[in-house]
Amino acid sequence: GAVVSQHPSRVICKSGTSVKIECRSLDFQATTMFWYRQFPKQSLMLMATSNEGSKATYEQGVEKDKFLINHASLTLSTLTVTSAHPEDSSFYICSARQGGLSYNEQFFGPGTRLTVL
Amino acid sequence: AQSVSQHNHHVILSEAASLELGCNYSYGGTVNLFWYVQYPGQHLQLLLKYFSGDPLVKGIKGFEAEFIKSKFSFNLRKPSVQWSDTAEYFCAVNEAGTASKLTFGTGTRLQVTL
Repeated sequence: GAVVSQHPSRVICKSGTSVKIECRSLDFQATTMFWYRQFPKQSLMLMATSNEGSKATYEQGVEKDKFLINHASLTLSTLTVTSAHPEDSSFYICSARQGGLSYNEQFFGPGTRLTVL
Repeated sequence: AQSVSQHNHHVILSEAASLELGCNYSYGGTVNLFWYVQYPGQHLQLLLKYFSGDPLVKGIKGFEAEFIKSKFSFNLRKPSVQWSDTAEYFCAVNEAGTASKLTFGTGTRLQVTL
């Protein structure tokens, strides 16, 4: 089946530093990738949608200059949290979807737990 | 805008009990509906989905869900739960006929006791 990986699975960083999280579709080409944020015991909140080769579309309230998304290839999207602060600590999850309306299912990565000290 | 409500936040059942988790959505158009499961320490996995056709959808691991359009509901059911079903369950919806983003409910934590 379709597999999505994320790296790293866990990262701890100091306040003010930047952190890059990678999301890869391992056995399919993902024309669209999504980035979510999940707070403890809460649902997934969509942060942004990225299509290969174009700029990401951010959800209302998400700072695009703080959460930089790059979807440079059909198998890789990256999320960079710039100048991270403790309030950015969260569980970040990506998902990927194949192209075309018939491929409506999203496949989720295992998530990355970010802790900002 | 779409919204999804899951009214059961935490459900505790004994093994072999029957399960029904509620999911209601709010959207004026036609939707696709999904149930995802997140086992402890694991990533989200698709349990089942409804796009069109038979409103009773069967998924993996003995789960099923019924789409009732008049009630805007897509409740998840399983006749007899197992301890291994302990997990977080999320209902999600997106606009039918498009590859649009998913809107998730707040999730239901299911705890199955032996």
